[in-house]
Parts: sequence; structure tokens; C-alpha cells
Amino acid sequence: RKEVEQDPGPFNVPEGATVAFNCTYSNSASQSFFWYRQDCRKEPKLLMSVYSSGNEDGRFTAQLNRASQYISLLIRDSKLSDSATYLCVVNNRYGGSQGNLIFGKGTKLSVKP
Amino acid sequence: DVKVTQSSRYLVKRTGEKVFLECVQDMDHENMFWYRQDPGLGLRLIYFSYDVKMKEKGDIPEGYSVSREKKERFSLILESASTNQTSMYLCASSLDGTGTTEAFFGQGTRLTVV
Repeated sequence: RKEVEQDPGPFNVPEGATVAFNCTYSNSASQSFFWYRQDCRKEPKLLMSVYSSGNEDGRFTAQLNRASQYISLLIRDSKLSDSATYLCVVNNRYGGSQGNLIFGKGTKLSVKP
Repeated sequence: DVKVTQSSRYLVKRTGEKVFLECVQDMDHENMFWYRQDPGLGLRLIYFSYDVKMKEKGDIPEGYSVSREKKERFSLILESASTNQTSMYLCASSLDGTGTTEAFFGQGTRLTVV
């Protein structure tokens, strides 16, 4: 089983639509979860962290289900500027306190006028 | 703002050449990473370093080595470049070594090996 799995898309939606992305992770010991955004030919940038209780940032809502090892991102009222690839990211602990980030392959979103 | 700077945006090298990719961060971050990104494969971790002179292999270290002589600088070395190392290379840094804090990326180096 791959460590972080996402539907690659593309998701083609009209402006104003609500769109949801899902992600599953395999390491039950993972403790930190993020969504990153990557624009075409640009580097990834943090969109938002994902907390156990769920969290919202404007039009974006992230949810975490630890029992199912599942993360989601909901985008409401899609804008043209939301067009990008969305990367699900999970931390991976090595021995002791060291760890690094494992990236999913990303879900591509295209918002059309 | 955190700045992660990679020395080149585009590089073209010949098969068999030794290639150095340099990365510098200006925020005193503990952790630094090298990823490569390929279509359909996403970002894959090559090496990371959680302290000066410390390094850990990632998922695909074969054909690569790294150097971290100073905290702010993390170099990726291709000992003998091959065409299958043609890729986008992304350097990142994060505050600590736990993998729980945001990673900041450089702008990427697109390497072509001919």
C-alpha cells in the first residue's frame, strides 16, 4: 500500500462549485497532516494544516479521520485562481523524534469560467 | 519571510558528469530536504538532513549523495549523471526535524541530462 494516496483527477469544475478532495495514508503513527498547493511550474506551498477537530480557513475546510486514516479538503465557491494541484502531506516518523514529510502525488483542479 | 534559494533554475549536463545542486535557507531551520518531482510520480524524497553533517536516506537515494557542512546550506550531488536523473529537483527546509512543521520550498532546478 502506498503511503499517501490521492485521486489524481483532474477535477474540472465551474466557478462557484464546491469540490472535495480525499486522501488516505498508510502509517497509523503519523501525527501531522497538511494540504499543500502547487501552481503550474511553481514550488509547493502550504495551504493549511489539518487538525483532528477539523479546521476551516475561509472557503477551505480540512477534515481528519484518524480511525480511517483519511484526510479531506473541501473548497467552497471555487474561484478561477483555485486552479492548481493539491498535495496531501503526512509526516513520517523515524527513530526518536526525527521525521520528514511524505507527499501524495497530488490532485489537479481546474476551475472554468 | 523564509527564503529557500536554489542555485540554478535550469541546468543541462552530459551523461557521466558530476553535478552539484546547491540550496541555501536563511531562517536557521534544522531540517533540510531534497526531493525530485516527475510527472505521475509526485515528489519523492532523496535525502534529508536534520543537523549539520547529519544525513538520512529518503526513498530514492541511489545515484545521489548530499553534503551539509553548514546549517544553512544543503547540497545534492550526482556523482555520475545519467539520463534517468533528468527531473525537477526541489529543496526544502523546515524549522525542526520532527516532520511536524511547515516545509518551505525553493523554486526548483530543472535538470536535463543529455
